[in-house]
Amino acid sequence: GAVVSQHPSRVICKSGTSVKIECRSLDFQATTMFWYRQFPKQSLMLMATSNEGSKATYEQGVEKDKFLINHASLTLSTLTVTSAHPEDSSFYICSAPRDRGGYEQYFGPGTRLTVT
Amino acid sequence: GDSVTQMEGPVTLSEEAFLTINCTYTATGYPSLFWYVQYPGEGLQLLLKATKADDKGSNKGFEATYRKETTSFHLEKGSVQVSDSAVYFCALGLNTGGFKTIFGAGTRLFVKA
Repeated sequence: GAVVSQHPSRVICKSGTSVKIECRSLDFQATTMFWYRQFPKQSLMLMATSNEGSKATYEQGVEKDKFLINHASLTLSTLTVTSAHPEDSSFYICSAPRDRGGYEQYFGPGTRLTVT
Repeated sequence: GDSVTQMEGPVTLSEEAFLTINCTYTATGYPSLFWYVQYPGEGLQLLLKATKADDKGSNKGFEATYRKETTSFHLEKGSVQVSDSAVYFCALGLNTGGFKTIFGAGTRLFVKA
């Protein structure tokens, strides 16, 4: 079946540094990928839609200069958390729809970011 | 706006008990409906889906029926197992100038042996 991977699975960084998270679709091409943030025991909050070859679309309240998204190819999207602060600590999840119009999402395993 | 409301957890059941997790939605247009499951330490996985009214999605003994008249998509299983312990998310999928999936808050299920 379709697989979406994320790297790294866990990362600890110091406050003020930047962290890059990769999301790859392994056996299909994804012109669109989604980035979510999940707080402990809470639902997924859509942060942005990553579009291959064009700018990402950010949800209201998400700082585009802080959460940089680049969809470099049909199988890779990256999320860079710039100048990270402890409040950015969270579980970041990406997903990709396999088929146009199906809305069914394949999710990556998530990346646990801890900012100290 | 578009939203999904599901029952708060946690839900604690004994093995072989009947499970119902309620889910209702508000949406413009005609959404597809999904249940996703997140097992401890893992990512979300699609459990089942329904794309139009009266469709029934089913998988691994779980089922849910797309009820347009009550805007509901309740998840049911006749006999739960310890291995069903997880967080269950109801979600709707929409195309509003771009695909978007909206999730409910999630319901944590504990099944005791």
